[in-house]
Amino acid sequence: SQKIEQNSEALNIQEGKTATLTCNYTNYSPAYLQWYRQDPGRGPVFLLLIRENEKEKRKERLKVTFDTTLKQSLFHITASQPADSATYLCALAWNAGNMLTFGGGTRLMVKP
Amino acid sequence: GAVVSQHPSRVICKSGTSVKIECRSLDFQATTMFWYRQFPKQSLMLMATSNEGSKATYEQGVEKDKFLINHASLTLSTLTVTSAHPEDSSFYICSARGAGEVGYEQYFGPGTRLTVT
Repeated sequence: SQKIEQNSEALNIQEGKTATLTCNYTNYSPAYLQWYRQDPGRGPVFLLLIRENEKEKRKERLKVTFDTTLKQSLFHITASQPADSATYLCALAWNAGNMLTFGGGTRLMVKP
Repeated sequence: GAVVSQHPSRVICKSGTSVKIECRSLDFQATTMFWYRQFPKQSLMLMATSNEGSKATYEQGVEKDKFLINHASLTLSTLTVTSAHPEDSSFYICSARGAGEVGYEQYFGPGTRLTVT
């Protein structure tokens, strides 16, 4: 069965630095991969989507990469701010119409 | 755009009673809605996929007679937890597909915290 792994340990970084979060998966590559932000007691908020034939996507301070050889996606937040502190979830879909499967999420703490 | 609402945001009910949670897409039509549950410090677990006008598809291990899903229109899906027990206490989140990227994105509601006493 497919597995999605995100670092379960919290990532602590200093304000202004770049945060890099990792999402690894097993077996065959998904059709597309999404990153979400979730704050405590709230539903996830969509951030970025990247397809299997794309290597990189950017949106303002966010960047997502997708390496199908390594079976890995990296999520970067540049010039991080305390307001970026949240749990970040990656979610994969193995074909275009399919449901999303979520990783366990990584909690990011940005300290001023 | 692409706003999904849920009601209620919090509900406390007694064991044995039923609770209905509504999920609405406010500014787009959602042919597919999804229901998830999330336990503290865990990720989202898909319970069922709901298509407008047809029966929901439940994930393995989810009792369809206990978690009744109705997707009566393109903007409304409901989840009814029947004969609720304390172990049903959880955070229930719905999502709807999707206004952008050819409908691949899912937009999530704010969640409903259910506590069964």
